[in-house]
Amino acid sequence: QVQLQESGPGLVKPSETLSLTCTVSGDSISSYYWSWIRQPPGKGLEWIGYIYTSGSTNYNPSLESRVTISIDTSKNQLSLKLSSVTAADTAVYYCARHSDGWFPYWLQYWGQGALVTVSS
Amino acid sequence: DIVMTQSPDSLAVSLGERATINCKSSRTVLYSSNNLNRIAWYRQRPGQPPKLLIYWASTRESGVPDRFSGSGSGTDFTLTISSLQAEDVAVYYCQQYYSTPHTFGQGTKLEIK
Repeated sequence: QVQLQESGPGLVKPSETLSLTCTVSGDSISSYYWSWIRQPPGKGLEWIGYIYTSGSTNYNPSLESRVTISIDTSKNQLSLKLSSVTAADTAVYYCARHSDGWFPYWLQYWGQGALVTVSS
Repeated sequence: DIVMTQSPDSLAVSLGERATINCKSSRTVLYSSNNLNRIAWYRQRPGQPPKLLIYWASTRESGVPDRFSGSGSGTDFTLTISSLQAEDVAVYYCQQYYSTPHTFGQGTKLEIK
């Protein structure tokens, strides 16, 4: 069974960079699409972007200027960086694996999520 | 962007009764090459991550009880729970994976009446 675990600082200061890592266990990270999704407290889900194991990425235009998603196949990890954060970036951040296939279809496996609060 | 709009925002149903959640996309999500709709449904219980229920608009994920069913095509979709159980209390989201940015509906909160 595939398991995903997000990790990183739970508190980030305004204007700084949010950094999270997602560690994948139970399967190889290779040959899949992986996404980051976030959920502000009490609100809905927002797709941030995805990466394929080749390193190709696709980001939500609303965040594209501030987001970087990368992958390290040797460590079975992917990472998220979001720069110049504000209080509006406070959210639970999830990593998720898309179903297998040549296209980023549905999100089949999700991590438990990591709450990141932006505050001075 | 494809906008996904769910209705209602919240719903209260008696145990054993049917629950119906609607999802409308701002443009078609029917992929002409395979005639399948690129829609998924997720359930999110309090304090938990979302869990996949349905993909291709009507295919149940492995292990999902058969009281959950999805239907619809083009721009209008429905998630039906045929006989509500206590463990179905959650927020339900539809999502399109037809084009990026992948977008979710705003969620429908399902409660017991």
